[in-house]
Amino acid sequence: QSVLTQPPSVSAAPGQKVTISCSGRSANIGNNYVSWYQQLPRTAPKLLIYENNKRPSGIPDRFSGSKSGTSATLDITGLQTGDEAEYYCGSWDSSLRAVMFGGGTKVTVL
Amino acid sequence: EVQLLESGGGLVQPGGSLKLSCAASGFASSSYAMSWVRQAPGKGLEWVSGINGGNSDTFYTDSVKGRFIISRDTSKNTLILQMNSLRAGDMAVYYCAKGLGARNYNELDYWGQGTLVTVSP
Repeated sequence: QSVLTQPPSVSAAPGQKVTISCSGRSANIGNNYVSWYQQLPRTAPKLLIYENNKRPSGIPDRFSGSKSGTSATLDITGLQTGDEAEYYCGSWDSSLRAVMFGGGTKVTVL
Repeated sequence: EVQLLESGGGLVQPGGSLKLSCAASGFASSSYAMSWVRQAPGKGLEWVSGINGGNSDTFYTDSVKGRFIISRDTSKNTLILQMNSLRAGDMAVYYCAKGLGARNYNELDYWGQGTLVTVSP
């Protein structure tokens, strides 16, 4: 059972939008930044979003993040087949003094 | 170009020890927070440990406290994870990852390719 809660899977047709939620508590998301990672099959994770809504260079603006209270959201617009991957949220937990990841969300492009 | 190359994984018996190394190139790893993240077969990501880029403070997830030690060899620009009293639950691919800054354990912008640790009799 992960400290941060994500839906196991989401799906949409090419060109559509998917939203992935990440729910935590005050010790983590409520008082710390959220990051999002994309993991393609058989590869290392890749940073998509940091500090709730910032994109590293090279990440397209189809990926966007937001945070409200103890929850965060990753939106992927203009869905492409290459977006099929596992997506993880992460946040520092001030009580546990460790990084907590969500259980991961599998994105399927129909 | 930033690169991270893990080594040291392999097969170990329960109760045994293993030392993982992560050779960094293209940046001075001692100036950045560095983390170890693991992924058990077919499972999600689990952050294991991190070390501060400034004062070398260290942090661990509860399940490895007292068994794992994270450290640096600054002369070799290398991150180390000493793993003792290994259990079946420690079996995973272990990734080394670089933080965006000296205290960024959750903002991991570069990752190695991972090294597999197998714990089995």
